[in-house]
Amino acid sequence: SQQGEEDPQALSIQEGENATMNCSYKTSINNLQWYRQNSGRGLVHLILIRSNEREKHSGRLRVTLDTSKKSSSLLITASRAADTASYFCATGLTGGGNKLTFGTGTQLKVEL
Amino acid sequence: NAGVTQTPKFRVLKTGQSMTLLCAQDMNHEYMYWYRQDPGMGLRLIHYSVGEGTTAKGEVPDGYNVSRLKKQNFLLGLESAAPSQTSVYFCASSSTGQGVYEQYFGPGTRLTVT
Repeated sequence: SQQGEEDPQALSIQEGENATMNCSYKTSINNLQWYRQNSGRGLVHLILIRSNEREKHSGRLRVTLDTSKKSSSLLITASRAADTASYFCATGLTGGGNKLTFGTGTQLKVEL
Repeated sequence: NAGVTQTPKFRVLKTGQSMTLLCAQDMNHEYMYWYRQDPGMGLRLIHYSVGEGTTAKGEVPDGYNVSRLKKQNFLLGLESAAPSQTSVYFCASSSTGQGVYEQYFGPGTRLTVT
């Protein structure tokens, strides 16, 4: 079963606008990660936030985590056409294997 | 560093045939994973390994077997392929230690079972 559900499923914006994607999950987590997947390619790690953190930044990316609401958001500022991709949240639990459970993803299209 | 590589990139099988997918990583990672990705389903964990000689079941292990004879390699086998196993398969690896770590993914294998 999917731990994370992303919202919206698809998002289309103009270059230069900000894009916000949300992720909700069901159980307590140890960490939450965001990955990007270009069409036909493998996933690439973007950012990791631990359960005791509330916000994290990396370049044009800003991630928030609200453990009381079991939700996270990914904000991409000043989007570019090259940001067009699918974005997945993944939750990690405490325990062996560093396993992740992935959400269903948000397809982002950034138009010129 | 090549990172995580997968072979083959594409494969078409007939129902009942068998095959092995190979994953190799050159980052000296202890942990390795096999996922499948289906439209609208995200990635689902098939099997994983926490070290050479170890394997464990993930969320959707039925119909698959795995082996980790060498630290750098993780093999995924389909003994008798079924159309339901048509999917894109991704291998990943990650480091281990006191903290939590991201996973590094291979480019994927697109498998079609007819």
